[in-house]
Amino acid sequence: AQKITQTQPGMFVQEKEAVTLDCTYDTSDPSYGLFWYKQPSSGEMIFLIYQGSYDQQNATEGRYSLNFQKARKSANLVISASQLGDSAMYFCAMREILNAGNMLTFGGGTRLMVKP
Amino acid sequence: GAGVSQTPSNKVTEKGKYVELRCDPISGHTALYWYRQSLGQGPEFLIYFQGTGAADDSGLPNDRFFAVRPEGSVSTLKIQRTERGDSAVYLCASSLDVGGFNEQFFGPGTRLTVL
Repeated sequence: AQKITQTQPGMFVQEKEAVTLDCTYDTSDPSYGLFWYKQPSSGEMIFLIYQGSYDQQNATEGRYSLNFQKARKSANLVISASQLGDSAMYFCAMREILNAGNMLTFGGGTRLMVKP
Repeated sequence: GAGVSQTPSNKVTEKGKYVELRCDPISGHTALYWYRQSLGQGPEFLIYFQGTGAADDSGLPNDRFFAVRPEGSVSTLKIQRTERGDSAVYLCASSLDVGGFNEQFFGPGTRLTVL
């Protein structure tokens, strides 16, 4: 079974609108962390936001917030007030701290395109 | 300060040749990771080092792949008898430590093309 599933291969959003990128995960490890990375066309992976499995509140970082629903095993990324520079690939990733050490397992990604 | 650097940025080789890919982590980062990203996919874990030793090499696809980090800083990923299926972007990342939240900082990658 896929450990990280991103069901939206591509998404369009109008500039200045909010957009939600979906991520569901599968793990039996009680201790895990969820990450979102942005990968522009230049190729570098840029860390956006992190949510720990024991964190009580949803993580927020500027225009990025993580809608963490533990019972549903989902960790959706919400980008508010989209900008043209947000156009990129977005990857959800998980670290299973007890079962898998320190490696990150990535989903297949979602390509976000911001329309002017 | 300087980020993770990788050399070369691009490598074109012929099937059957040997290649080495280099990664310079952020100074002071004890953990170093190698990932491979095929076209249109997310990165896949290959190996990670804690200090000089390979703490987890479970992602290496076969024995043609090998990585070293002899002094606990720079790492080299070595691929013997390259095959066309090895063509991908090889990403290196480093983190200050391991466990919990330890942000992995990624390098720009090396694009390997095997003809």
